Amino acid sequence: DGGITQSPKYLFRKEGQNVTLSCEQNLNHDAMYWYRQDPGQGLRLIYYSQIVNDFQKGDIAEGYSVSREKKESFPLTVTSAQKNPTAFYLCASRPSWGTSNTGELFFGEGSRLTVL
Amino acid sequence: RKEVEQDPGPFNVPEGATVAFNCTYSNSASQSFFWYRQDCRKEPKLLMSVYSSGNEDGRFTAQLNRASQYISLLIRDSKLSDSATYLCVVNRDDKIIFGKGTRLHILP
Repeated sequence: DGGITQSPKYLFRKEGQNVTLSCEQNLNHDAMYWYRQDPGQGLRLIYYSQIVNDFQKGDIAEGYSVSREKKESFPLTVTSAQKNPTAFYLCASRPSWGTSNTGELFFGEGSRLTVL
Repeated sequence: RKEVEQDPGPFNVPEGATVAFNCTYSNSASQSFFWYRQDCRKEPKLLMSVYSSGNEDGRFTAQLNRASQYISLLIRDSKLSDSATYLCVVNRDDKIIFGKGTRLHILP
């Protein structure tokens, strides 16, 4: 079945370690997004990519990095520079805008990162 | 000022009642608008897109007022299963921004 796969679902790391969260989609979508969600908060945009080999910073990009070497993959690295990395991370993709596209974002099930 | 603002609630509403949520956005260049629903510890799911002409999907009605930069969602005949967080979402040049969400509790 087509969809977005995030891994791992749960991740524990020590403070000061870099962590890479995986996001893979087989929906043939051009655009991909990374959001962070803290308890009781909405989703905050970290990075997004509209096309392969290109990406833009969102509202809270500091301490994160991404790459978009393949259309299907948009991994997120949480670096040691991120001051409060413990959060729920959501990856999403969206098809190109067109007459049949409602603009819906398709989400993965998320990755819960806990930094000890 | 945040780009998308919503009343966080919670709204505690008896089953069968009508409830309305509002959302404001700050950037007049925003191009498209959505309401998403998020259940506890789950990923958000699209509820409906929002158009200036207004649109309805069963018990749900959404409306956009571009002049006032205001989006609304109306739920009629609320059900217990409507309990969730409702997220207002705005797109500007592919930058898709979520509001913090409004929590709704439907009471039996």
